[in-house]
Amino acid sequence: AQRVTQPEKLLSVFKGAPVELKCNYSYSGSPELFWYVQYSRQRLQLLLRHISRESIKGFTADLNKGETSFHLKKPFAQEEDSAMYYCALSGLPGSARQLTFGSGTQLTVLP
Amino acid sequence: DADVTQTPRNRITKTGKRIMLECSQTKGHDRMYWYRQDPGLGLRLIYYSFDVKDINKGEISDGYSVSRQAQAKFSLSLESAIPNQTALYFCATSDLGSSTDTQYFGPGTRLTVL
Repeated sequence: AQRVTQPEKLLSVFKGAPVELKCNYSYSGSPELFWYVQYSRQRLQLLLRHISRESIKGFTADLNKGETSFHLKKPFAQEEDSAMYYCALSGLPGSARQLTFGSGTQLTVLP
Repeated sequence: DADVTQTPRNRITKTGKRIMLECSQTKGHDRMYWYRQDPGLGLRLIYYSFDVKDINKGEISDGYSVSRQAQAKFSLSLESAIPNQTALYFCATSDLGSSTDTQYFGPGTRLTVL
């Protein structure tokens, strides 16, 4: 079975402060990990995926297989980063691939 | 722009009524999904379909049924709605030919069952 845990339901930081949204996963094989973001009154959209090793809107996330984590980080938070963030895992091989989502973290960046 | 659309966007209904939520996409994707979003629970998969002849149950399919009428259309039905089906419902698509599992979401349907 595959599981994604986001331990923080709510996270508040001040503008300009570093932010880290935690994500831990449980999966016995080689997972594909994603971060999705949902801004207020907007649809869920992909923020980044680990295989791309990219930085999007200043956010990065490194897959740590030893700790089974995929934490999302940004060195200097901005007010426009306030949103709901979901970590997601795709683990089943071949045509049966599905995404399992964590419960989400609501990030609020205070002025 | 290729898109994923959902109708209706909001619906209030009564216990016991039959409800259908519709999803259409112009992305040309093969795979379609239905999720529900509840506060504190994230998104949970209800049903998914990898092509017109393929329907699969997700994590929480009880009380729901689906129909894949065409590659571009995937409908979710609640045969007899109950209050704990009050939630935000999302449709999503992904491309079978893609090397990743990126999913593209619709705007959501807010369903309230009284």
